[in-house]
Order: sequence, then structure tokens, then C-alpha cells
Amino acid sequence: GNSVTQMEGPVTLSEEAFLTINCTYTATGYPSLFWYVQYPGEGLQLLLKATKADDKGSNKGFEATYRKETTSFHLEKGSVQVSDSAVYFCAHFKAAGNKLTFGGGTRVLVKP
Amino acid sequence: GAVVSQHPSRVICKSGTSVKIECRSLDFQATTMFWYRQFPKKSLMLMATSNEGSKATYEQGVEKDKFLINHASLTLSTLTVTSAHPEDSSFYICSAPDRVLFTDTQYFGPGTRLTVL
Repeated sequence: GNSVTQMEGPVTLSEEAFLTINCTYTATGYPSLFWYVQYPGEGLQLLLKATKADDKGSNKGFEATYRKETTSFHLEKGSVQVSDSAVYFCAHFKAAGNKLTFGGGTRVLVKP
Repeated sequence: GAVVSQHPSRVICKSGTSVKIECRSLDFQATTMFWYRQFPKKSLMLMATSNEGSKATYEQGVEKDKFLINHASLTLSTLTVTSAHPEDSSFYICSAPDRVLFTDTQYFGPGTRLTVL
């Protein structure tokens, strides 16, 4: 079946450190892939997306590349800030059924 | 961007009572809305798909008589937790897809935290 697996947190980093959050998926066909972010006390916000193989999504210094050969969509940021502290969710979307499937979420804490 | 609101943001109720949660699309029409449940430090679990003008579609294991969904208009869906019990305490989130530009993108409400005493 369809599923999304992402690394468990929490991930604790110092400011300006490099962040990677791994995400792999299983799905038939070619789903759209997403990273959503949930800041403390707020709802989910779309961070970035990619809709086909080799596409790179980017936003706010974050990047993720749709790798079909490894079925992965790892999130990276070169230099994190305290304001990046949040929970990050990887997800994929299949048009059939019109549903988003989420990974378990990764809590990131950036310390000054 | 599109905005989805939820009301209330927090609700505390006694066991056995019913609670209604509203989800509104503020600046766009949504023929479909989704209801999720999020447990502490866990991911979102899709509960049901709310369809304007027709019955909601529930995910496996979700009791439709427990979680009543009504999609009254193109901008409003409601989730009613009937005869709530402490195990229903959770964070409930709704979302609506962007039908105009990116049909695979969903806009999420800020969530409603339900506490059943």
C-alpha cells in the first residue's frame, strides 16, 4: 500500500548547522511529494513540493529533490535558524482518491 | 494564499456530551474538505472526506455515527463528535484542496484541540 516513512526525531541542532530529514515513500505510479511544516501552536503549512521525478522543491532555504530511483524526498537546509524549530511532515498525494498520506513527523529543535 | 479557519480552537467538554467543530474556507470554495486527527507527537490520520451535497466518505476504522460530518455549503464543513469520551481527546484538523491552481495542494486549518473530561 501507500506509505511515507521519515526519520524519527527529535533532531536537536545548533543555529547555522546543516539539517537533513530523510523521507522515503512507497506508492504506485508517480505521486506528488510534499513537505509540510507545523510551527508550535499553529496548523500545517506547505513548505515545498515536487510533482515529478528530478524536480527540486525549494522555499525559505529548504530544498528537497524527488528521487524516483530511491523513492526518496529528503529535506535539507544548509544553515538553520532558531525560527526553524518545528515539526516537519513528509507526504505524498495520489490523484486517485485525492488523498494525502503523511509520514510520522520529525520534530526539529534549533538552539541558539 | 487560501485560508482555512476552524472554530473553536480549543474546547473542553464533559464525557457524554457532543461537540461541533467548524471548518471554513474563507476566500475560496471547497466542494471537498478533509478531516484529520492528530495524536500527541504523532502524524495526521485521515478520518474522512467531506463532500458538499453528499455523504462523507469515512476511512476504515472510523465510526461514522461517532464522528458526524456535514458539508452544508461550499465554504463550510462541520465535524460533530457525538457522546464524547476521554479517548476522543485529540487535535482535529481540517483541510481543503486548491481546486484552481494546484489540485494536489491542500490548505490546512489551525486545528481544534478537544479535551474530554
